[in-house]
Amino acid sequence: NAGVTQTPKFQVLKTGQSMTLQCAQDMNHNSMYWYRQDPGMGLRLIYYSASEGTTDKGEVPNGYNVSRLNKREFSLRLESAAPSQTSVYFCASSTSGGYYEQYFGPGTRLTVT
Amino acid sequence: KQEVTQIPAALSVPEGENLVLNCSFTDSAIYNLQWFRQDPGKGLTSLLLIQSSQREQTSGRLNASLDKSSGRSTLYIAASQPGDSATYLCAGYNNNDMRFGAGTRLTVKP
Repeated sequence: NAGVTQTPKFQVLKTGQSMTLQCAQDMNHNSMYWYRQDPGMGLRLIYYSASEGTTDKGEVPNGYNVSRLNKREFSLRLESAAPSQTSVYFCASSTSGGYYEQYFGPGTRLTVT
Repeated sequence: KQEVTQIPAALSVPEGENLVLNCSFTDSAIYNLQWFRQDPGKGLTSLLLIQSSQREQTSGRLNASLDKSSGRSTLYIAASQPGDSATYLCAGYNNNDMRFGAGTRLTVKP
């Protein structure tokens, strides 16, 4: 099993450009999450999907959109990238909600210039 | 809103030493607390998950405890090894919200 996979691993964008970060899990998990990690601030939740067909905002949703494409895949879209969105983005999944262990992907390092 | 704090931000110990990493949280109505390890440039690896009804969990040389009344969790690492060098993060979950500490960067010197 690959666990949680993310593409791309690295990306550089110019201000105003758009892009989609892809995430897939092969553990048959119901819940999936997107976080961002900034130096000295820990991880912050952007959006989550408790189950297929549902999405909800987390702590820092502004500037992002998400799509739960099917049970395996959860994508994060930046419509108009800003330098403040320079960060490392992690996708995670769990069996069903936060009561269970979360498993993380390797991350996407995004730089917006 | 739950706030999670980890002190110290960095810790350096000689190999073989037993050590304790601290995690404190503000909302005692926590459902669970999870400890993670993060190596440089990598994702997070789950180490231990303690449910609110539990007081501790053990895995190999690791032991994590949870004291909801005092708002504290500790991660005990026995007989530390250079391979334990990494950043350790704790995260508390309640009300569909998971909050992370900023982590403690551990260096174990040979």
